[in-house]
Amino acid sequence: SYDLTQPPSVSVSPGQTASITCSGDKLGDKYACWYQQKPGQSPVVVIYQDTKRPSGIPERFSGSNSGNTATLTISGTQAMDEADYYCQAWDSSIVFFGGGTKLTVL
Amino acid sequence: QVQLQESGPGLVKPSETLSLTCVVSGYSISSGYYWDWIRQPPGKGLEWIGSVYHSGSTYYNPSLKSRVTISVDTSKNQFSLKLNSVTAADTAVFYCARRVSSGSPNDFWGQGTLVTVSS
Repeated sequence: SYDLTQPPSVSVSPGQTASITCSGDKLGDKYACWYQQKPGQSPVVVIYQDTKRPSGIPERFSGSNSGNTATLTISGTQAMDEADYYCQAWDSSIVFFGGGTKLTVL
Repeated sequence: QVQLQESGPGLVKPSETLSLTCVVSGYSISSGYYWDWIRQPPGKGLEWIGSVYHSGSTYYNPSLKSRVTISVDTSKNQFSLKLNSVTAADTAVFYCARRVSSGSPNDFWGQGTLVTVSS
């Protein structure tokens, strides 16, 4: 098994920068991606292959992955960014999700 | 546009088998890619159940492997999930989703279907 650990919650003020971490053994040696999920909706990819943004995802979303930690950064956080965020990685054809982080924009 | 739609009973009795189907439109399953089942218990996080490759090869979450079967029917452009010996702990929203390669994210998801395990 491969564990991905996220903080249960992160709070940020509007306009500030939010950082959500995802920790796993040698995670930096794998690709990580991030999903945003709003209540009642299916998850949406916001970052893939550590740093890439799908078309339609705002530039304020960025990612990094090194060592044992992948990080999702949201610059200039907006109220619409309030959601649950999940990291995902793969190991030997098995898919793993982090436990999720609830981002609150206060 | 690729679309996925889950279907199946919304209520399953304990110890019975949960069966769901995901119909894919806008893309031919036989052309490639991985097709995943993912679940989310109410108020909890996402859990990958398993995948079927377009060729029929399957990959399962080790924690569920003994109870799960995923299969693909390319003639109907759909894939299916069977989870046996269910308990209340299996109550969840079940999603089907597409994944381009083994190390890529799920780019298209179904809307999800809630399955409740209860007598």
